[in-house]
Amino acid sequence: GDSVTQMEGPVTLSEEAFLTINCTYTATGYPSLFWYVQYPGEGLQLLLKATKADDKGSNKGFEATYRKETTSFHLEKGSVQVSDSAVYFCALNAGGTSYGKLTFGQGTILTVHP
Amino acid sequence: NAGVTQTPKFRVLKTGQSMTLLCAQDMNHEYMYWYRQDPGMGLRLIHYSVGEGTTAKGEVPDGYNVSRLKKQNFLLGLESAAPSQTSVYFCASSREADNSPLHFGNGTRLTVT
Repeated sequence: GDSVTQMEGPVTLSEEAFLTINCTYTATGYPSLFWYVQYPGEGLQLLLKATKADDKGSNKGFEATYRKETTSFHLEKGSVQVSDSAVYFCALNAGGTSYGKLTFGQGTILTVHP
Repeated sequence: NAGVTQTPKFRVLKTGQSMTLLCAQDMNHEYMYWYRQDPGMGLRLIHYSVGEGTTAKGEVPDGYNVSRLKKQNFLLGLESAAPSQTSVYFCASSREADNSPLHFGNGTRLTVT
């Protein structure tokens, strides 16, 4: 079945450091890929998405490129801020008759110190 | 601008008790979902609905029932709670399209003792 694997956390960085959170997936067909972010005490919010190979999703300084050859969708940001501290989830939608259902990775906790 | 609203926010149950979690969305979305979130396991789909009057099983449906009597509401029931159902429950909704983002509620933290 479909699955998403994220890098082990937690990740702790200093403000203005470079961020990479790795995400790889297994899926049949041509999935759409997403990054969601969860701030403390809140539900998940869509951060960015990519719907086909080589697409780059971007939002709020975060970027991720859909790499079909390596089945990856790594999240990057050039300079993190304290306000980026949150849990980040990689997810896929298998398409077809999936009815929008998402398969999530286990989440990566990011803490950014001043 | 309510979006997806879940009630209650917190609940403590004893083993064997029952309860219903309520989810309401005001975006006229066709699809609705119930997920549970457990540490180190991400979110796992319990049940989902593709429209009023329809429900379907997700990845971890055992011990839960759902109903979608009105388009805007999706109810999750626990008939006989077990400690293994201690979790944070999230409701989500989306438009009828594969790449539409899911809109999540703020969650219900349930503890079963």
